[in-house]
Amino acid sequence: AQKVTQAQTEISVVEKEDVTLDCVYETRDTTYYLFWYKQPPSGELVFLIRRNSFDEQNEISGRYSWNFQKSTSSFNFTITASQVVDSAVYFCALSEATGSQGNLIFGKGTKLSVKP
Amino acid sequence: AAGVIQSPRHLIKEKRETATLKCYPIPRHDTVYWYQQGPGQDPQFLISFYEKMQSDKGSIPDRFSAQQFSDYHSELNMSSLELGDSALYFCASSLDRGPPYEQYFGPGTRLTVT
Repeated sequence: AQKVTQAQTEISVVEKEDVTLDCVYETRDTTYYLFWYKQPPSGELVFLIRRNSFDEQNEISGRYSWNFQKSTSSFNFTITASQVVDSAVYFCALSEATGSQGNLIFGKGTKLSVKP
Repeated sequence: AAGVIQSPRHLIKEKRETATLKCYPIPRHDTVYWYQQGPGQDPQFLISFYEKMQSDKGSIPDRFSAQQFSDYHSELNMSSLELGDSALYFCASSLDRGPPYEQYFGPGTRLTVT
């Protein structure tokens, strides 16, 4: 069965620290997609990144970087030099090509607090 | 660029009442997804529609129904509301239901049942 695990419920860091949010997934599909979403206190879900199962290249976007490793079924997210505005709940999500017909399976989320 | 529109943004209902949530997808998007996010919880998939037909069904209670209309907007109808239905309801849209499943989320409707 498909599943996304975000073991870190809450993380608190001081501004300018680097922080890594962990995500481990389970799926039987060979083709699947992984996502990260940010949910600030205002409540909306902000899309950050999508990765397909055939592309293990790591990606960097400004202060954000993602490490996808199929061997460990992990898709971790690192924020470099964190800022107060990064405070939010971050969700990792999985979508299978055949199993779920596109709907997203979310992890429980990691609440990140960045203190000044 | 146009985004997904949800209305109303906030809704307060009493137990046993009914509620209707509306979702207007991004123009030309033909697939709509509904998710429910309880307080402190992750979003849970409820139901999806592709080209006005139900595509997939998740953990949607029997008291809820939904449909997608000819103009591709979707409505989620909720009857006999319970306190546990208090949640943030998201609608997302995508251009067809195939990969890469890029879903664009609306701002959500916050439903409070008292």
